[in-house]
Amino acid sequence: DGGITQSPKYLFRKEGQNVTLSCEQNLNHDAMYWYRQDPGQGLRLIYYSQIVNDFQKGDIAEGYSVSREKKESFPLTVTSAQKNPTAFYLCASSRGIRGNQPQHFGDGTRLSIL
Amino acid sequence: GQQVMQIPQYQHVQEGEDFTTYCNSSTTLSNIQWYKQRPGGHPVFLIQLVKSGEVKKQKRLTFQFGEAKKNSSLHITATQTTDVGTYFCAGWGKIIFGKGTRLHILP
Repeated sequence: DGGITQSPKYLFRKEGQNVTLSCEQNLNHDAMYWYRQDPGQGLRLIYYSQIVNDFQKGDIAEGYSVSREKKESFPLTVTSAQKNPTAFYLCASSRGIRGNQPQHFGDGTRLSIL
Repeated sequence: GQQVMQIPQYQHVQEGEDFTTYCNSSTTLSNIQWYKQRPGGHPVFLIQLVKSGEVKKQKRLTFQFGEAKKNSSLHITATQTTDVGTYFCAGWGKIIFGKGTRLHILP
């Protein structure tokens, strides 16, 4: 079955530590996205990528970094510069970046501070 | 900047009652998408509206896109317990999600 796999499902971070969230898709989609979801909030865009080796900042990119070395993979690193990282992180993909393509989401990673 | 507002934030309905959520954008949208997120789950794509004044139906769900392409609505007829979840609109021009409407069904 095609889909998006996020791992781990739960992640704990110590103060001053960087952590990386994995996102893999086998849908052959060009575009991939990272969103952050806080309780009572919608999805806020962190980064997105239209193609391999290219990515763009979203609305809340500070304290985060990404890479897109392979079409299938779009890992997100939450750096120590992100002072409030506790949230639910969702990865998504779509055929293209244009708005006429529905986004497919992974099951998410819940990140907490120790 | 571009904003997408969604109302209401929460809605409690008796099973069998109708439900409507509204999405309003500060700018004209090229299209709008609707997603549903079940409790503890991830958003799932429901539908996309592109044309001014467009109306689409999926069984008990009716989706509308305003004439000015700045607002949209989702109406559920005769709600069922399976309708529980948070409904998000996502406006395109630039990718913006509304904060969602959380629907609770009272048995």
